[in-house]
Amino acid sequence: AQTVTQSQPEMSVQEAETVTLSCTYDTSESDYYLFWYKQPPSRQMILVIRQEAYKQQNATENRFSVNFQKAAKSFSLKISDSQLGDAAMYFCEWKHHQGAQKLVFGQGTRLTINP
Amino acid sequence: EAQVTQNPRYLITVTGKKLTVTCSQNMNHEYMSWYRQDPGLGLRQIYYSMNVEVTDKGDVPEGYKVSRKEKRNFPLILESPSPNQTSLYFCASGGSGTGLTGELFFGEGSRLTVL
Repeated sequence: AQTVTQSQPEMSVQEAETVTLSCTYDTSESDYYLFWYKQPPSRQMILVIRQEAYKQQNATENRFSVNFQKAAKSFSLKISDSQLGDAAMYFCEWKHHQGAQKLVFGQGTRLTINP
Repeated sequence: EAQVTQNPRYLITVTGKKLTVTCSQNMNHEYMSWYRQDPGLGLRQIYYSMNVEVTDKGDVPEGYKVSRKEKRNFPLILESPSPNQTSLYFCASGGSGTGLTGELFFGEGSRLTVL
């Protein structure tokens, strides 16, 4: 069975600094997708960034980027120039490419931004 | 506006009193699913549906029922709630073109307390 592990229950960073959230997963599949979702205090989850496993290039969305290491089964999220609005719970998700039903979330990392 | 709507947002009930949490999406998505979020455990899938009249168990289906009679609605039913079902519940949807390989769209969550 697939598992996703976020080993950092909580992280904090100074505003304008860079922070990296870690995510590791365990799977025997070769084709899958990885996502980072953000859950602000308002609770609604929104997609931050997505990575296809077959792509070697790391995904980037403005201040958000990932370090995808397929062999190491690692998918970390880097937030540059942290802003107060980045404060949220962040979830890593693994999804099999052929079906949305087979998906697994990590335990979440609560990120605090210090002004 | 594209959205996933859950109701109620907050509910306090007593053990054994049947309740239904509704979920509706206006994006014509085939895929819909329910999750519960508990501290330290992240999001765990309860049930999912790939299309109308097609539902299947996720990782934690015990004590829950679902139905998918219409494409837009996917209610979660607790026939006889127990205190261990106290949790934060999320409904999500995704389209066949993007949802199976792309992002999920989440509702705002329903906080359920069973006394």
